[in-house]
Amino acid sequence: GDSVTQMEGPVTLSEEAFLTINCTYTATGYPSLFWYVQYPGEGLQLLLKATKADDKGSNKGFEATYRKETTSFHLEKGSVQVSDSAVYFCALLNSGSARQLTFGSGTQLTVLP
Amino acid sequence: EPEVTQTPSHQVTQMGQEVILRCVPISNHLYFYWYRQILGQKVEFLVSFYNNEISEKSEIFDDQFSVERPDGSNFTLKIRSTKLEDSAMYFCASQTGGGDEKLFFGSGTQLSVL
Repeated sequence: GDSVTQMEGPVTLSEEAFLTINCTYTATGYPSLFWYVQYPGEGLQLLLKATKADDKGSNKGFEATYRKETTSFHLEKGSVQVSDSAVYFCALLNSGSARQLTFGSGTQLTVLP
Repeated sequence: EPEVTQTPSHQVTQMGQEVILRCVPISNHLYFYWYRQILGQKVEFLVSFYNNEISEKSEIFDDQFSVERPDGSNFTLKIRSTKLEDSAMYFCASQTGGGDEKLFFGSGTQLSVL
């Protein structure tokens, strides 16, 4: 079945550091890929998405590129802020499984001032 | 931005008791979901609901679970006889259309079964 493997956390960075959170997936067909973010006390929010190979999703300075050859969708940000502290979830939606998102286990990011 | 609202934020119950988790999806949305996350594990799909019926459910969603949209605004998840392993954070989500359109999630209900 479909699965998402996400970089183990927690990750602690200093403000303005470069962020990478790795995500790889296993799926049949051509899934859409997502990053969701959960700030403390809030629900999961869509951060960015990509629906086909080589697409780059971007939002709020975060980027991720859909790499079919490596089945990856790594999240990056050039300069993190304290306000980026949150849990980040990689997820996929397979066209063969209707509306059922498959999530990774989440990565806790803490950014220190 | 509109929000999905979940109540209560924390629920503590005794094993074997029934619990109802409540959600108010965004008003013009048509698709509704429940997901859960056991501490330290992945967020898992439980069930999707459209046009007043279940459209998809996972293996987790057994006979102990049911969902209902009783009044056109609330969307509830009932667990008939809770088990210790039902302890988890339960997330409700809603969506305007299907497919890869954006899901809006609530902030979750932390269920603790003692």
